[in-house]
Amino acid sequence: EPEVTQTPSHQVTQMGQEVILRCVPISNHLYFYWYRQILGQKVEFLVSFYNNEISEKSEIFDDQFSVERPDGSNFTLKIRSTKLEDSAMYFCASGGLGGSTYTDTQYFGPGTRLTVL
Amino acid sequence: KNEVEQSPQNLTAQEGEFITINCSYSVGISALHWLQQHPGGGIVSLFMLSSGKKKHGRLIATINIQEKHSSLHITASHPRDSAVYICAVNAGGSARQLTFGSGTQLTVLP
Repeated sequence: EPEVTQTPSHQVTQMGQEVILRCVPISNHLYFYWYRQILGQKVEFLVSFYNNEISEKSEIFDDQFSVERPDGSNFTLKIRSTKLEDSAMYFCASGGLGGSTYTDTQYFGPGTRLTVL
Repeated sequence: KNEVEQSPQNLTAQEGEFITINCSYSVGISALHWLQQHPGGGIVSLFMLSSGKKKHGRLIATINIQEKHSSLHITASHPRDSAVYICAVNAGGSARQLTFGSGTQLTVLP
């Protein structure tokens, strides 16, 4: 069964460094998402991406964050200058086929645990 | 902004018991999702509902749009059902982003 994959599974970085989290969505999906979950808190939406552009973003997704689909298979989240409060589990998700509605099932990757020291 | 509330926060049951987890939301939605989060953190989609009831194996999900409420039931619970169960909603209109509840930690004892 196809699945969303994410790399790395755990990333440790120093405050102020740039990190890139990578995701490979399910191949025929058209919509891609990033969510994060700070330890002990709710999962929060960051950004959604469709047709090579951002379609929705939350107030968390400020200028420090960017997303890209560089090669038609990978979907990346970049954090330019990490802060301590960026430490969280970051989940990639994908969903939506051609002609789909707004309410497709989203398939989640296993997550990348980001630790900022 | 939609507020998604789940109850209970924690639930401990004996193997074989019938389990109900509740979810309520504050603003009209286009769909509600039930998700399962395993101890390692991975999230699996269980159901997506916009009306009525869905069943998959021992899991049943219902939604009452008028009352802005959904329930997830597990029949004949088993220790392998132990996980965090999360309710999430799509806002109305064209929004695809999900707004999540805090989750219900379920522990099923043998």
